[in-house]
Amino acid sequence: GQQVMQIPQYQHVQEGEDFTTYCNSSTTLSNIQWYKQRPGGHPVFLIQLVKSGEVKKQKRLTFQFGEAKKNSSLHITATQTTDVGTYFCAGRVDYKLSFGAGTTVTVRA
Amino acid sequence: DAGVTQSPTHLIKTRGQQVTLRCSPKSGHDTVSWYQQALGQGPQFIFQYYEEEERQRGNFPDRFSGHQFPNYSSELNVNALLLGDSALYLCASSSGGPAYEQYFGPGTRLTVT
Repeated sequence: GQQVMQIPQYQHVQEGEDFTTYCNSSTTLSNIQWYKQRPGGHPVFLIQLVKSGEVKKQKRLTFQFGEAKKNSSLHITATQTTDVGTYFCAGRVDYKLSFGAGTTVTVRA
Repeated sequence: DAGVTQSPTHLIKTRGQQVTLRCSPKSGHDTVSWYQQALGQGPQFIFQYYEEEERQRGNFPDRFSGHQFPNYSSELNVNALLLGDSALYLCASSSGGPAYEQYFGPGTRLTVT
């Protein structure tokens, strides 16, 4: 069945530094979505990418969708303490969203 | 505008029992999906309901069943509970259209002892 892999599992970042989390699917996706879950909270939608090679930016966050629509990345610049949480990618095939295991981000002030 | 609501917040059950979890979607949404999230893992898709029918199902046994009502609210039923069913159960609603972004509720924490 469809699998979505995410790396790294943990990311410890110094405040002000940049980092990237990567997402790979075993199958071609209709689209990919990114969510953020704060400790003790529920996933909150960040963005959706639909087109091959698409790039979208939200302030310090840059999202990319691969040309083959099987991989994606999230790059955060100048990390802040508000970026703490777990970032999930979720690949869509038909009506099913398959989530990766997430990248848990901690920030050193 | 109320978001997605779920009840109860927490639940403790014994192995072999049955449980029903409830979800009310965000206003204007007609599609409800259910997910199981084990500690330290990503949400796992259980199934999706649209127009009161199960539209797609993930890799979960028949012990997991659901229902959607005419007002779009939904229930998740789990029979013959196992210890491994202990998890956070998340309901997510969407408009069912191309945007398809999921709005999650706060979840129900189920503990099976």
